[in-house]
Parts: sequence; structure tokens; C-alpha cells
Amino acid sequence: DAGVIQSPRHEVTEMGQEVTLRCKPISGHDYLFWYRQTMMRGLELLIYFNNNVPIDDSGMPEDRFSAKMPNASFSTLKIQPSEPRDSAVYFCASSLLAGGPEQYFGPGTRLTVT
Amino acid sequence: KNQVEQSPQSLIILEGKNCTLQCNYTVSPFSNLRWYKQDTGRGPVSLTIMTFSENTKSNGRYTATLDADTKQSSLHITASQLSDSASYICVPPQSSQAGTALIFGKGTTLSVSS
Repeated sequence: DAGVIQSPRHEVTEMGQEVTLRCKPISGHDYLFWYRQTMMRGLELLIYFNNNVPIDDSGMPEDRFSAKMPNASFSTLKIQPSEPRDSAVYFCASSLLAGGPEQYFGPGTRLTVT
Repeated sequence: KNQVEQSPQSLIILEGKNCTLQCNYTVSPFSNLRWYKQDTGRGPVSLTIMTFSENTKSNGRYTATLDADTKQSSLHITASQLSDSASYICVPPQSSQAGTALIFGKGTTLSVSS
């Protein structure tokens, strides 16, 4: 398996623009997680899905952030409009339902909002 | 939410030396405790997952210990190598059902110099 795939790896955009981050989880994994990592706050959970259904979105900072999982092999995290304080590395992770909640992380998307 | 504190925040050691990283948490455990290694520019990768019947668990030169009574864990690295330079993140037991979201410590940044 190729592991969790994220795109793009780097994104630079101007304040006010829409940003869409993409994730392909490991095939067969029932859980998908979106995290944000900054130096100040470390890794923070934004939202997670179970079988494509959002379970907990309490970590989503505000209404500018939205996430979807239209099928088992694809998820998006959208920021509209983006702000400089959204600059961070965004990670997607997936895990199996059975066999323990081990999470496998993608390489991350480094977002810079100028 | 779980509370987790890791120490030291950063550490510099010479190649070949040993070191120990600490993790203290406050929540009553429901699930396992994990340690992740995160290389610069990459996503976290699991090092160990410990259940509460385990006091010690090794993965090569990495040895994790767990004291469930005092809610403390440590990660000991033996005969450090340059490739050990990374951030080491503790994920304490969660107070919710296994298979759901994880809350990560802020990590210890280890630098191994030659």
C-alpha cells in the first residue's frame, strides 16, 4: 500500500483565497482524521470521520473550515476565506476499525497564507 | 480533555549517548499510551503502543516504560544515532472509546550531533 496520500505537499496562497487540501486514506481503513500542526500548539485534531460520516468536528476552528468525505477513498479540507493565521502543516491520518486504533499519517500539506 | 506534558522541550546529545524523554498525563486511562517519532517535514510514525498490562516495551534501541499509578511514561533511546534527530510525541491514554481521536503532546525535539 502507498500509505496515506496528501496533496498538494505545499500551498502558498493570498489571504482571502479558497484553499482545498486533499487526502486519500489507506484502503480498508474506516477512520480518517484531519490534524493541524503548529509550533505553538503542536498537533491538534480538527475533525474525524468514521465510514465517511463526520463524527467529531469540535476541533474545527471556525466556519471558514469545512471537511467532506464523499467516499471511502477521498477526503477534502477546505478553508474559505483563508487567513494568515491558518498557516500551518495539515496532516491527514487513517486507521482501521478493528485491531486497535493505530493511526497512519500522511506526509502533510504545508500551507502558507500571505 | 486529556492533559499531557512532555519534558524536556528540546534536547541535544552527542551521537552514541543515551537519553530519556518524559511524559506525564492526568486523565484516567481508557486506551493505550503511544509514542510517535516525527522527522522534520514528515508525518508522525508510531514507535510503540503500550497497554496497561505492560510496564516496559522495546522497539530496537527505543524502550518505553509506563507507570499507570503515577501516570508517567518515559522513552529511553540507547546508543543514539544521527537518524534519531526528530520530535518525539507522547499520546496519553484517551478517556473515550478506543478507535477514536487522539490528543497529542507537544513533543520533545531531539538533536543528535556527531
